[in-house]
Amino acid sequence: DGGITQSPKYLFRKEGQNVTLSCEQNLNHDAMYWYRQDPGQGLRLIYYSQIVNDFQKGDIAEGYSVSREKKESFPLTVTSAQKNPTAFYLCASSKTGYGETQYFGPGTRLLVL
Amino acid sequence: GENVEQHPSTLSVQEGDSAVIKCTYSDSASNYFPWYKQELGKRPQLIIDIRSNVGEKKDQRIAVTLNKTAKHFSLHITETQPEDSAVYFCAAYTGGFKTIFGAGTRLFVKA
Repeated sequence: DGGITQSPKYLFRKEGQNVTLSCEQNLNHDAMYWYRQDPGQGLRLIYYSQIVNDFQKGDIAEGYSVSREKKESFPLTVTSAQKNPTAFYLCASSKTGYGETQYFGPGTRLLVL
Repeated sequence: GENVEQHPSTLSVQEGDSAVIKCTYSDSASNYFPWYKQELGKRPQLIIDIRSNVGEKKDQRIAVTLNKTAKHFSLHITETQPEDSAVYFCAAYTGGFKTIFGAGTRLFVKA
């Protein structure tokens, strides 16, 4: 399982608080992604990035923000605008982003207090 | 918009039997179809994939078939074992940087 890591494993958010989820990869991949997974559902794309300093919204970007200042890092911030943030968040990376295997991190489970 | 439908949502088989999971995609331009296995609380991991220029691919007990005309693809697991119990996701790459995932199939293999 190595190569792409996420922290923390569990994260608790209070009302009105912004929280940041970390994602780091040492695979030298250009493309990185953030997915949200809810019970009994598939993976829904929040944001993706192909290169440093560039990222695009996915299907459910509202209430989330990202940055890509370094190739190996793609942090996700869950803002207070996201009213239902409780979910399992998965970060992934792939070599170029064009039709290839995605490698997933171990995930962060976000819970609301 | 693009969509991937996956059936069944739950599948229970006896150890040693075969399991089949089916997916249908909507975008005829899709050309890459990976399958991921996710054990409870763990990350999804690729188990097999197929590209649109191939009709079938096999890796030991796992095989995937693709019917481009009908826009569906299937995962076949033979001689199932308890450790095959997990959630399986199909996916279709639709171009750009977008991969659409199915809702998942929870497979139970009874010993």
